[in-house]
Amino acid sequence: DADVTQTPRNRITKTGKRIMLECSQTKGHDRMYWYRQDPGLGLRLIYYSFDVKDINKGEISDGYSVSRQAQAKFSLSLESAIPNQTALYFCATSDPPLSDTQYFGPGTRLTVL
Amino acid sequence: GQQLNQSPQSMFIQEGEDVSMNCTSSSIFNTWLWYKQDPGEGPVLLIALYKAGELTSNGRLTAQFGITRKDSFLNISASIPSDVGIYFCAGRERSGGSNYKLTFGKGTLLTVNP
Repeated sequence: DADVTQTPRNRITKTGKRIMLECSQTKGHDRMYWYRQDPGLGLRLIYYSFDVKDINKGEISDGYSVSRQAQAKFSLSLESAIPNQTALYFCATSDPPLSDTQYFGPGTRLTVL
Repeated sequence: GQQLNQSPQSMFIQEGEDVSMNCTSSSIFNTWLWYKQDPGEGPVLLIALYKAGELTSNGRLTAQFGITRKDSFLNISASIPSDVGIYFCAGRERSGGSNYKLTFGKGTLLTVNP
Protein backbone atom coordinates (compact mmCIF):
# COMPACT_ATOMS: atom_id res chain seq x y z
CA ASP A 1 0.00 0.00 0.00
CA ALA A 2 1.17 3.49 -0.83
CA ASP A 3 2.34 5.63 2.08
CA VAL A 4 1.21 8.88 0.45
CA THR A 5 -2.01 8.87 -1.55
CA GLN A 6 -3.62 11.60 -3.59
CA THR A 7 -7.16 11.91 -4.87
CA PRO A 8 -8.23 12.37 -7.55
CA ARG A 9 -5.43 11.20 -9.83
CA ASN A 10 -6.87 13.09 -12.76
CA ARG A 11 -9.35 15.94 -12.94
CA ILE A 12 -10.70 18.08 -15.72
CA THR A 13 -12.63 21.16 -14.72
CA LYS A 14 -13.80 24.48 -16.07
CA THR A 15 -12.62 27.98 -15.42
CA GLY A 16 -14.19 29.45 -12.28
CA LYS A 17 -14.93 26.14 -10.58
CA ARG A 18 -13.78 25.35 -7.07
CA ILE A 19 -11.54 22.30 -6.87
CA MET A 20 -10.14 20.38 -3.92
CA LEU A 21 -7.22 18.00 -4.12
CA GLU A 22 -6.71 15.68 -1.20
CA CYS A 23 -3.65 14.05 0.26
CA SER A 24 -3.43 11.36 2.92
CA GLN A 25 -0.37 9.74 4.45
CA THR A 26 0.24 6.72 6.65
CA LYS A 27 3.88 7.52 7.38
CA GLY A 28 3.12 9.36 10.59
CA HIS A 29 5.03 12.41 9.42
CA ASP A 30 4.28 15.83 10.82
CA ARG A 31 5.34 17.82 7.78
CA MET A 32 3.33 17.94 4.58
CA TYR A 33 3.77 19.90 1.36
CA TRP A 34 1.96 20.75 -1.85
CA TYR A 35 3.94 21.28 -5.06
CA ARG A 36 3.02 21.95 -8.62
CA GLN A 37 5.03 20.72 -11.54
CA ASP A 38 5.08 22.36 -14.94
CA PRO A 39 7.22 21.25 -17.88
CA GLY A 40 10.65 22.89 -17.72
CA LEU A 41 9.96 24.52 -14.37
CA GLY A 42 10.53 21.64 -12.01
CA LEU A 43 8.71 21.47 -8.70
CA ARG A 44 7.47 24.66 -7.10
CA LEU A 45 6.23 24.83 -3.54
CA ILE A 46 2.66 26.08 -3.07
CA TYR A 47 2.06 25.58 0.67
CA TYR A 48 3.60 23.63 3.50
CA SER A 49 2.57 22.60 6.97
CA PHE A 50 4.95 21.57 9.74
CA ASP A 51 2.16 20.44 12.04
CA VAL A 52 -1.62 20.60 12.27
CA LYS A 53 -1.60 24.17 13.55
CA ASP A 54 1.11 25.45 11.24
CA ILE A 55 0.40 26.54 7.66
CA ASN A 56 2.88 28.47 5.54
CA LYS A 57 2.84 29.93 2.06
CA GLY A 58 5.34 28.68 -0.47
CA GLU A 59 6.69 30.49 -3.48
CA ILE A 60 3.47 30.33 -5.58
CA SER A 61 0.53 30.39 -3.15
CA ASP A 62 -1.63 32.95 -4.97
CA GLY A 63 -4.90 31.39 -6.13
CA TYR A 64 -4.55 28.44 -3.75
CA SER A 65 -5.55 27.65 -0.19
CA VAL A 66 -4.93 24.66 2.05
CA SER A 67 -6.41 22.88 5.03
CA ARG A 68 -4.62 20.54 7.42
CA GLN A 69 -7.48 18.52 8.78
CA ALA A 70 -5.33 16.11 10.74
CA GLN A 71 -1.74 14.98 10.91
CA ALA A 72 -2.43 12.57 8.08
CA LYS A 73 -4.49 14.84 5.81
CA PHE A 74 -3.58 17.95 3.86
CA SER A 75 -5.92 19.37 1.21
CA LEU A 76 -5.24 21.90 -1.52
CA SER A 77 -8.06 24.05 -2.89
CA LEU A 78 -8.34 26.18 -5.98
CA GLU A 79 -11.11 28.63 -5.10
CA SER A 80 -11.74 29.70 -8.69
CA ALA A 81 -9.73 27.63 -11.13
CA ILE A 82 -8.06 29.29 -14.12
CA PRO A 83 -6.38 27.68 -17.15
CA ASN A 84 -2.82 28.51 -16.05
CA GLN A 85 -3.39 26.32 -13.02
CA THR A 86 -3.34 23.34 -15.33
CA ALA A 87 -0.45 21.29 -13.99
CA LEU A 88 0.64 18.18 -12.15
CA TYR A 89 0.21 18.55 -8.39
CA PHE A 90 2.19 16.59 -5.84
CA CYS A 91 1.77 16.15 -2.13
CA ALA A 92 4.81 15.22 -0.05
CA THR A 93 5.65 14.43 3.56
CA SER A 94 8.80 14.55 5.63
CA ASP A 95 9.95 13.71 9.13
CA PRO A 96 12.74 15.85 10.60
CA PRO A 97 15.06 16.45 12.24
CA LEU A 98 17.30 13.49 11.45
CA SER A 99 16.26 13.36 7.85
CA ASP A 100 14.26 16.00 6.05
CA THR A 101 13.93 13.93 2.91
CA GLN A 102 10.53 14.28 1.34
CA TYR A 103 8.33 11.42 0.19
CA PHE A 104 5.99 12.14 -2.68
CA GLY A 105 2.54 10.98 -3.61
CA PRO A 106 1.72 9.80 -7.14
CA GLY A 107 0.39 13.18 -8.24
CA THR A 108 -2.85 14.67 -9.49
CA ARG A 109 -3.08 15.82 -13.08
CA LEU A 110 -5.39 18.83 -13.18
CA THR A 111 -6.67 20.37 -16.40
CA VAL A 112 -8.60 23.65 -16.30
CA LEU A 113 -10.49 24.39 -19.50
CA GLY B 1 13.62 32.78 -3.51
CA GLN B 2 16.52 30.41 -3.69
CA GLN B 3 17.16 28.77 -7.05
CA LEU B 4 19.19 25.81 -8.10
CA ASN B 5 20.84 25.60 -11.48
CA GLN B 6 20.62 22.03 -12.73
CA SER B 7 22.37 20.90 -15.87
CA PRO B 8 22.05 19.59 -18.40
CA GLN B 9 18.33 20.12 -19.02
CA SER B 10 18.18 16.95 -21.08
CA MET B 11 20.41 14.11 -22.19
CA PHE B 12 20.02 11.53 -24.92
CA ILE B 13 22.47 8.67 -24.56
CA GLN B 14 23.12 5.13 -25.70
CA GLU B 15 22.58 2.20 -23.40
CA GLY B 16 25.78 1.38 -21.55
CA GLU B 17 27.10 4.93 -21.45
CA ASP B 18 27.85 6.77 -18.23
CA VAL B 19 25.86 9.87 -17.30
CA SER B 20 26.72 12.90 -15.21
CA MET B 21 24.53 15.76 -14.09
CA ASN B 22 25.01 18.51 -11.53
CA CYS B 23 23.40 21.26 -9.55
CA THR B 24 24.81 24.53 -8.30
CA SER B 25 23.50 27.09 -5.89
CA SER B 26 24.42 30.61 -4.88
CA SER B 27 23.71 29.72 -1.25
CA ILE B 28 25.05 27.12 1.12
CA PHE B 29 22.96 24.03 1.62
CA ASN B 30 23.05 21.62 4.53
CA THR B 31 21.59 18.72 2.58
CA TRP B 32 21.60 17.65 -1.03
CA LEU B 33 19.09 15.15 -2.36
CA TRP B 34 18.70 13.46 -5.70
CA TYR B 35 15.29 12.25 -6.92
CA LYS B 36 14.11 10.36 -9.98
CA GLN B 37 10.66 10.76 -11.47
CA ASP B 38 9.26 8.10 -13.76
CA PRO B 39 6.51 9.08 -16.19
CA GLY B 40 3.17 9.42 -14.42
CA GLU B 41 4.68 9.01 -10.97
CA GLY B 42 5.91 11.16 -8.13
CA PRO B 43 9.62 11.73 -7.51
CA VAL B 44 11.40 8.97 -5.62
CA LEU B 45 14.46 9.61 -3.49
CA LEU B 46 17.67 8.09 -4.87
CA ILE B 47 20.45 9.44 -2.69
CA ALA B 48 20.67 11.81 0.28
CA LEU B 49 23.87 13.67 1.21
CA TYR B 50 24.40 15.39 4.54
CA LYS B 51 28.09 16.32 4.79
CA ALA B 52 30.33 18.45 2.61
CA GLY B 53 32.59 16.19 0.59
CA GLU B 54 30.39 13.15 1.16
CA LEU B 55 30.39 10.62 -1.66
CA THR B 56 27.55 8.11 -1.62
CA SER B 57 26.64 5.27 -3.93
CA ASN B 58 23.40 3.45 -4.56
CA GLY B 59 24.01 0.66 -7.05
CA ARG B 60 25.09 2.25 -10.31
CA LEU B 61 24.40 5.72 -8.96
CA THR B 62 26.99 7.88 -7.21
CA ALA B 63 26.43 11.35 -5.83
CA GLN B 64 28.70 13.83 -4.10
CA PHE B 65 28.11 16.80 -1.82
CA GLY B 66 30.45 19.56 -2.98
CA ILE B 67 33.12 20.86 -0.61
CA THR B 68 31.82 24.41 -0.93
CA ARG B 69 28.30 23.16 -0.03
CA LYS B 70 27.04 24.97 -3.11
CA ASP B 71 27.00 22.09 -5.54
CA SER B 72 26.36 18.41 -6.03
CA PHE B 73 26.64 15.94 -8.84
CA LEU B 74 25.02 12.64 -9.73
CA ASN B 75 26.67 10.00 -11.89
CA ILE B 76 24.98 6.97 -13.40
CA SER B 77 27.26 4.27 -14.70
CA ALA B 78 26.47 1.79 -17.47
CA SER B 79 23.03 3.21 -18.20
CA ILE B 80 20.12 0.92 -18.98
CA PRO B 81 16.72 1.69 -20.54
CA SER B 82 14.93 1.83 -17.18
CA ASP B 83 17.12 4.77 -16.17
CA VAL B 84 14.88 6.90 -18.37
CA GLY B 85 13.13 9.64 -16.44
CA ILE B 86 13.55 13.08 -14.95
CA TYR B 87 16.24 13.51 -12.32
CA PHE B 88 15.88 16.32 -9.81
CA CYS B 89 18.37 17.71 -7.38
CA ALA B 90 17.09 19.33 -4.22
CA GLY B 91 18.84 21.29 -1.51
CA ARG B 92 17.88 22.07 2.02
CA GLU B 93 18.94 25.30 3.65
CA ARG B 94 18.17 26.60 7.05
CA SER B 95 15.06 28.74 6.90
CA GLY B 96 14.49 30.32 10.25
CA GLY B 97 14.64 28.44 13.51
CA SER B 98 14.38 24.69 13.02
CA ASN B 99 12.09 24.79 10.02
CA TYR B 100 13.58 23.68 6.75
CA LYS B 101 12.40 23.78 3.18
CA LEU B 102 13.68 22.08 0.08
CA THR B 103 14.52 23.90 -3.12
CA PHE B 104 14.34 21.84 -6.29
CA GLY B 105 16.27 22.10 -9.52
CA LYS B 106 14.33 22.15 -12.77
CA GLY B 107 15.28 18.60 -13.62
CA THR B 108 17.36 16.68 -16.15
CA LEU B 109 15.38 14.62 -18.63
CA LEU B 110 17.32 11.45 -19.42
CA THR B 111 16.57 9.35 -22.46
CA VAL B 112 18.41 6.07 -22.98
CA ASN B 113 18.48 4.58 -26.45
CA PRO B 114 18.60 0.76 -26.34
